[in-house]
Amino acid sequence: AQSVSQHNHHVILSEAASLELGCNYSYGGTVNLFWYVQYPGQHLQLLLKYFSGDPLVKGIKGFEAEFIKSKFSFNLRKPSVQWSDTAEYFCAVNPFGNEKLTFGTGTRLTIIP
Amino acid sequence: DTGVSQDPRHKITKRGQNVTFRCDPISEHNRLYWYRQTLGQGPEFLTYFQNEAQLEKSRLLSDRFSAERPKGSFSTLEIQRTEQGDSAMYLCASSPYIIVTKETQYFGPGTRLLVL
Repeated sequence: AQSVSQHNHHVILSEAASLELGCNYSYGGTVNLFWYVQYPGQHLQLLLKYFSGDPLVKGIKGFEAEFIKSKFSFNLRKPSVQWSDTAEYFCAVNPFGNEKLTFGTGTRLTIIP
Repeated sequence: DTGVSQDPRHKITKRGQNVTFRCDPISEHNRLYWYRQTLGQGPEFLTYFQNEAQLEKSRLLSDRFSAERPKGSFSTLEIQRTEQGDSAMYLCASSPYIIVTKETQYFGPGTRLLVL
């Protein structure tokens, strides 16, 4: 069965700092990859997704992620974070042809003004 | 609001009682999913429907859990004889056919269950 690892459980940054959150998955075949965000008191929302094509995908609010197949990674990045980025971030994967999502344990991001 | 809705948002029950949750998906979505999320974890897949057909169930879904989607629209998740370990956030999501549309799952706000 596939699994997703998010090694950073809690990240604390100052505003304007650069962000990179790690995500690794274990599955040998073709996968679809997602980053979801959960702002305080809100439901899960999609940040960005990768199905195929350009491995560098751009999402909402200035986030991007790079799919590196050889490393089974899909790290999330943002060059300059804002206080409003404080949230929990979840990486998720579904193998091609399988519609259920497997999530990582999440990374809590706290931005200090 | 045309998103996924769930009812109730919060439920407190005593151990041994039965509870039922409802999910209303986005109207044109034929896929509906249930996930469970406990503190400090990501959502874990429970089951999913294509229209009214239940296509897959996780091993997490013991025989005390049952889910239905009788007319291919809303879905219910029932937990019988609740246990304290059932305390969690129960999330519903819906999507069109992802493989074709390259869409994703849209999540509702969840139902938080506390079993005393």
